[in-house]
Amino acid sequence: DAGVTQSPTHLIKTRGQQVTLRCSPKSGHDTVSWYQQALGQGPQFIFQYYEEEERQRGNFPDRFSGHQFPNYSSELNVNALLLGDSALYLCASSRDSSYGYTFGSGTRLTVV
Amino acid sequence: AQSVTQLDSQVPVFEEAPVELRCNYSSSVSVYLFWYVQYPNQGLQLLLKYLSGSTLVKGINGFEAEFNKSQTSFHLRKPSVHISDTAEYFCAVSGSSGGYQKVTFGTGTKLQVIP
Repeated sequence: DAGVTQSPTHLIKTRGQQVTLRCSPKSGHDTVSWYQQALGQGPQFIFQYYEEEERQRGNFPDRFSGHQFPNYSSELNVNALLLGDSALYLCASSRDSSYGYTFGSGTRLTVV
Repeated sequence: AQSVTQLDSQVPVFEEAPVELRCNYSSSVSVYLFWYVQYPNQGLQLLLKYLSGSTLVKGINGFEAEFNKSQTSFHLRKPSVHISDTAEYFCAVSGSSGGYQKVTFGTGTKLQVIP
């Protein structure tokens, strides 16, 4: 049973560019949450998707957007990249009615 | 609003010694509490969780935590640590936000096990 799969594992982008990160949730999970983890910090909540809709959002600008597909997989898009967007981006999946997440290994984004 | 405070950013401990990693939380609603472990260059792995019932929760790798509602704490303990326990540990709280689950993490505690 595959866990949460994220791609790519590492990514280097130039300031001002756009990036798309992908996540496939654990089998049986229908909710996907995205977190940003800057170096030396705890994960910060970006947003959560359920039934292809964004239903919660953290304190992140509109440059951060997402999507959930009918198969529950999800994408995180970041436009107009800033150096401060460099971080580990974590995807977590869960069943809607349960508590506790399963995390992927993350995508390490470096903005230069 | 909910928040988590991990009082110690780093905890060095000798191998086979006991360890306690401290976590305090605040929330205006009933909460569920979690501890996650993160090894270098990896995602987060769930160690244990408190949802309800017994306040002493046992998790994987010999870890346990005790929920104390009056002190709003959820400290993580292990009676004897191993080198392989060297990692960063995150306490997290999950509470209802607009009817949905939202998980908030602490800033983490780096456990360094010294041979």
